[in-house]
Amino acid sequence: EAGVAQSPRYKIIEKRQSVAFWCNPISGHATLYWYQQILGQGPKLLIQFQNNGVVDDSQLPKDRFSAERLKGVDSTLKIQPAKLEDSAVYLCASSPKQGRTDTQYFGPGTRLTVL
Amino acid sequence: ELKVEQNPLFLSMQEGKNYTIYCNYSTTSDRLYWYRQDPGKSLESLFVLLSNGAVKQEGRLMASLDTKARLSTLHITAAVHDLSATYFCAGRMIKAAGNKLTFGGGTRVLVKP
Repeated sequence: EAGVAQSPRYKIIEKRQSVAFWCNPISGHATLYWYQQILGQGPKLLIQFQNNGVVDDSQLPKDRFSAERLKGVDSTLKIQPAKLEDSAVYLCASSPKQGRTDTQYFGPGTRLTVL
Repeated sequence: ELKVEQNPLFLSMQEGKNYTIYCNYSTTSDRLYWYRQDPGKSLESLFVLLSNGAVKQEGRLMASLDTKARLSTLHITAAVHDLSATYFCAGRMIKAAGNKLTFGGGTRVLVKP
């Protein structure tokens, strides 16, 4: 079974530029999550989708971050404009709709450096 | 709001010895996850603990959950170099919207020969 795919793996941009990340979840997984992991910290949930609807975006800085999940499969996360403090690894995860444990499966992440 | 704290933040282990990582959480959580992260890699699911007294074991790792004490532990038996990684615990609030997880800050483990 293919895992969660993310691209790009690395991105370096100047502050005030825009950037977008892409995620393809595990086939059949209805729920998709975007996390931000700052160096030395645990991941923090930014947004959660159930199919193509938003379940929780309470920690998404909506003035600069946006995310969408078209057709309930792939998702993109955008930052516009980026700030220095956005430097982090952005992790995408997915979990199946059914399942007692609702384990989240993580992708490899995109490491963003904002200069 | 659920808060999750791990300690220690860093653990230097000697091969062959036993160690424990502690995960405390602030409010009622209906499940507790343990993940492993190797440097530069993503998170790998280790255990999911669903009820009070739950114990799960895989190889040299054993996780347990005490919901009354709001404490989970990850015990490492006879540490080996391959276990060097950062370990995260994460909790989910009961009746949380969706399946939102709150992660601890991680415990970085380094096993020395």
